[in-house]
Amino acid sequence: DSGVTQTPKHLITATGQRVTLRCSPRSGDLSVYWYQQSLDQGLQFLIQYYNGEERAKGNILERFSAQQFPDLHSELNLSSLELGDSALYFCASSESGTSYEQYFGPGTRLTVT
Amino acid sequence: LAKTTQPISMDSYEGQEVNITCSHNNIATNDYITWYQQFPSQGPRFIIQGYKTKVTNEVASLFIPADRKSSTLSLPRVSLSDTAVYYCLVGGLNQAGTALIFGKGTTLSVSS
Repeated sequence: DSGVTQTPKHLITATGQRVTLRCSPRSGDLSVYWYQQSLDQGLQFLIQYYNGEERAKGNILERFSAQQFPDLHSELNLSSLELGDSALYFCASSESGTSYEQYFGPGTRLTVT
Repeated sequence: LAKTTQPISMDSYEGQEVNITCSHNNIATNDYITWYQQFPSQGPRFIIQGYKTKVTNEVASLFIPADRKSSTLSLPRVSLSDTAVYYCLVGGLNQAGTALIFGKGTTLSVSS
């Protein structure tokens, strides 16, 4: 158990819909990262927040957005969902904003039908 | 960002030592080398990190030669539960934050 929690574990929704994935980092960690893992693209970095502020951005689509709240939990919002958005979404956390030692949550499996 | 090359797959038997080598010819002076392990449908797990020479923890050892153009993850006496994908990561640290860039990794299969 990494100490990072993600909800929900599974999510099934239809194309065009909007969903919100939630992540709680390990106690004491200020940085949260979001990654997407699909069969054809592998693990892709989406976005990083540090203490409430966006810190780094990867290949995150404009239909996706995220935020980190004052209590340090984070939400990833996915809108206008397409079939290709079906994937495992992982949240990770680290103590600092510049760390290779990241702790990953169990992931949310999103299925878009 | 240093590009890494590692074998696509490796096979081993229980009890053997497994060495997975990663090439990173363009590693920068400030880059660290980090290895992650991932089981199917689970998030990656940090294994070990190093800058040069040798690093050892309770799980693995990491050997880095003086030129740092490659590194070797050593797993002593593997068991069936070590069957997983192993990722070698180098760099990724930018001025703002840290984006882990995962390649395809090495799929290790351990048999009895």
